[in-house]
Amino acid sequence: DAGVTQSPTHLIKTRGQHVTLRCSPISGHKSVSWYQQVLGQGPQFIFQYYEKEERGRGNFPDRFSARQFPNYSSELNVNALLLGDSALYLCASSLRDEKLFFGSGTQLSVL
Amino acid sequence: KQEVTQIPAALSVPEGENLVLNCSFTDSAIYNLQWFRQDPGKGLTSLLLIQSSQREQTSGRLNASLDKSSGRSTLYIAASQPGDSATYLCAVSRDNYGQNFVFGPGTRLSVLP
Repeated sequence: DAGVTQSPTHLIKTRGQHVTLRCSPISGHKSVSWYQQVLGQGPQFIFQYYEKEERGRGNFPDRFSARQFPNYSSELNVNALLLGDSALYLCASSLRDEKLFFGSGTQLSVL
Repeated sequence: KQEVTQIPAALSVPEGENLVLNCSFTDSAIYNLQWFRQDPGKGLTSLLLIQSSQREQTSGRLNASLDKSSGRSTLYIAASQPGDSATYLCAVSRDNYGQNFVFGPGTRLSVLP
């Protein structure tokens, strides 16, 4: 069975641009969450979606938005990119409150 | 606000040693706690999940304990191997949806052959 897949794996953008990151959960998983991991730190929670509804939002500005589609895949959008948005963006899926399964992440560099 | 700390930040041990990684959290009102492993530049792999009503979980050479009242968890690794070299992170969830986790900064483990 395929694990959590994320695309693209790497991305380079310039300040002020917009970016869309994509995530496909494990088949059967209806819950998807997004995390931002800055080098040397633990991941920080950005969003959780369950059955296409937002169930949680971390302490991130409104430039960050997300959505979940009927097939449970998800997109994370970031507008007006800042240098500080450079990080590894991780997507995770699970069956409600069980173990989290993470994708390999999208490494975003903002120049 | 929940804060998670991990001690030590880095650890280097010879192959075959038993070792303990520590995790502390400030708010004992957690739903569950997970230990993860992360290899450089990669995503996280869940190792053990402990529900708030449980005291410990075991998987192979790994054992994790949870003392919710004192805000502590430990991950015990028996007979360490070079393949265990990675960063180990603990995380606590704040609600029963199970995905809103607060992570610690991790312990970087090196097991020397």
